[in-house]
Amino acid sequence: KNEVEQSPQNLTAQEGEFITINCSYSVGISALHWLQQHPGGGIVSLFMLSSGKKKHGRLIATINIQEKHSSLHITASHPRDSAVYICAVRETTDSWGKFQFGAGTQVVVTP
Amino acid sequence: DVKVTQSSRYLVKRTGEKVFLECVQDMDHENMFWYRQDPGLGLRLIYFSYDVKMKEKGDIPEGYSVSREKKERFSLILESASTNQTSMYLCASSSTGLAKNIQYFGAGTRLSVL
Repeated sequence: KNEVEQSPQNLTAQEGEFITINCSYSVGISALHWLQQHPGGGIVSLFMLSSGKKKHGRLIATINIQEKHSSLHITASHPRDSAVYICAVRETTDSWGKFQFGAGTQVVVTP
Repeated sequence: DVKVTQSSRYLVKRTGEKVFLECVQDMDHENMFWYRQDPGLGLRLIYFSYDVKMKEKGDIPEGYSVSREKKERFSLILESASTNQTSMYLCASSSTGLAKNIQYFGAGTRLSVL
C-alpha cells in the first residue's frame, strides 16, 4: 500500500475554473512537496511545506499535519497549467533525504 | 541554476542487452537518486548514493545496479534488459543538511526494451 495517496487521478477543467488536488499520507513527515511534471518528463518543485499555507501566483498549497492531509489549489486555471502534479513526503525517520511519492494527478485544462 | 543532465531522452534496446543510463549534476550535491516512473505507480526509488562509491538500495533494486565513481556522476546499469524494465527513468540530486529537502530532477530517459 502506498503511503502517499493522491486524488483525483485525472482531472479535466475549463480555463478559469478552480482546481483542487488532494494528498493524504500515513506516516510522520518532516516535509511535504508539491511537484509539477510537464509532458516530456522534467519535474520541478512548486512548494515545500511543513505547516500552514503557501502561495505562489495562482497556486496555493495547504497542509494539515494533524489530519495528514495536503491540498494544492490552482485558481483561474489556464491551459499552461496542464501537467502532472505530484505529492511527495519526507518521513521523519529518513536521514538520507529520500521521498515517498504519490502516483500523481494528471490535470488537463481546456481553453 | 542547478542542472541535472541525463544522457539520453529516448532509448530503445533489445532484451538481454546491457544498458547504461548516465546522470550528471553540476551543483556538487552529495546525494543522487535513480527512480523509475510508471503510470498509476508514481516514482519509485531504485537506488541512491550519498557519497562517491557509496550506494543504498531503494524500493525496487532488483535487475539494476549503480555506479558512482565521481561525485557529479551517477550511473544506472541494467545488466540484462528485460521488457518489464520499459519505463521512464528519472535521476535527481540533493544536498545535505536542511537543503536535502529539495531534490532537483533531470528531464528523464524514456527506455523501451523490445
